[in-house]
Amino acid sequence: NAGVTQTPKFRILKIGQSMTLQCAQDMNHNYMYWYRQDPGMGLKLIYYSVGAGITDKGEVPNGYNVSRSTTEDFPLRLELAAPSQTSVYFCASTGTINTGELFFGEGSRLTVL
Amino acid sequence: DQQVKQNSPSLSVQEGRISILNCDYTNSMFDYFLWYKKYPAEGPTFLISISSIKDKNEDGRFTVFLNKSAKHLSLHIVPSQPGDSAVYFCADPGGNQFYFGTGTSLTVIP
Repeated sequence: NAGVTQTPKFRILKIGQSMTLQCAQDMNHNYMYWYRQDPGMGLKLIYYSVGAGITDKGEVPNGYNVSRSTTEDFPLRLELAAPSQTSVYFCASTGTINTGELFFGEGSRLTVL
Repeated sequence: DQQVKQNSPSLSVQEGRISILNCDYTNSMFDYFLWYKKYPAEGPTFLISISSIKDKNEDGRFTVFLNKSAKHLSLHIVPSQPGDSAVYFCADPGGNQFYFGTGTSLTVIP
């Protein structure tokens, strides 16, 4: 019953460092999403993917990159980390858009100092 | 653009009373909406949904109402319990994206 698994759960970065947040799902879902949640704010979409090999920008893509080489994995890469990227990041997936529910990972808390 | 708005950032309710959380939307593609519940340090989890063919959907203590003419939906929790204290998001799945409100933090006071 793994569902959506995110790693790491916590990370502290220095300004200018790079890192990758990992996301894997075992439900054979085509649709995967990366959101960030800042304090007191809603969930803002960073990138999403409708299937292996296909990705698209969401509302706040600047400073991030993604890839989707397999159905299961959807890593989010931060290049040149900035304090504005301090946030909690959630990966989610669904098998059915429009009327389906999203399944979320537990989140990755990133602090950039 | 599709949007969902939750205008109340927080709500406090006494245990046993009714909690009403509100959400307004614009330009929904399918008039289908979901509510998610989020505890601190956890990911959001699906709570209840409603589709345009209904104006009400009930699941135990949770009921969601949809008023399409007003472009408004609400989540009722009766009776409220301390374990219901969480952040609640409404969401509109449209196209390839899910649009979330900013959330309402519910505190149920024992």
